[in-house]
Amino acid sequence: DAGITQSPRHKVTETGTPVTLRCHQTENHRYMYWYRQDPGHGLRLIHYSYGVKDTDKGEVSDGYSVSRSKTEDFLLTLESATSSQTSVYFCAISESGYYNEQFFGPGTRLTVL
Amino acid sequence: DQQVKQNSPSLSVQEGRISILNCDYTNSMFDYFLWYKKYPAEGPTFLISISSIKDKNEDGRFTVFLNKSAKHLSLHIVPSQPGDSAVYFCAASADSNYQLIWGAGTKLIIKP
Repeated sequence: DAGITQSPRHKVTETGTPVTLRCHQTENHRYMYWYRQDPGHGLRLIHYSYGVKDTDKGEVSDGYSVSRSKTEDFLLTLESATSSQTSVYFCAISESGYYNEQFFGPGTRLTVL
Repeated sequence: DQQVKQNSPSLSVQEGRISILNCDYTNSMFDYFLWYKKYPAEGPTFLISISSIKDKNEDGRFTVFLNKSAKHLSLHIVPSQPGDSAVYFCAASADSNYQLIWGAGTKLIIKP
């Protein structure tokens, strides 16, 4: 299994509070991704990174920001959490951006009350 | 506007028989397709992929077929085993884009 960890694994928070989710990899892969999974939607890309300090928006980026100061860490921040951001969040990594499978972390279940 | 569609939310198959999971796409720019398997409370795991220059790719019990003219791909699992019970996602990407576009998934149940 690819070395990807996510923390925390579960979090309950209140509307309006900031939340940061962490993804850590030991594979030295260049590309990292944040997805959310909701019933009936499959996985939807929030943001991705193609190198240290290089990030770009995905399909559902509103309300989220990311940072990558080291190859191994990719942080997802909800500046002011809303109930619509209750979801399961997955981090993924890949060696290259094209024609390359992505390897996923175990997920973080976030509940915003 | 769902670009990748898995129209069957669930599928039940007898152990030992063939499981066929289907996926349709609308974007003709997609040129790389992947299947993932997901167990509850775990992240998706990669199963098999196919590029648009092929129409078939095989890996053990898993075979993916691609019909570009119909914009359709399918995953065959033969023979089906109890451990195959999971949610299966298809995903697609275009050469010009890093993003994977995912279907909503099909829950496969293998009956003993």
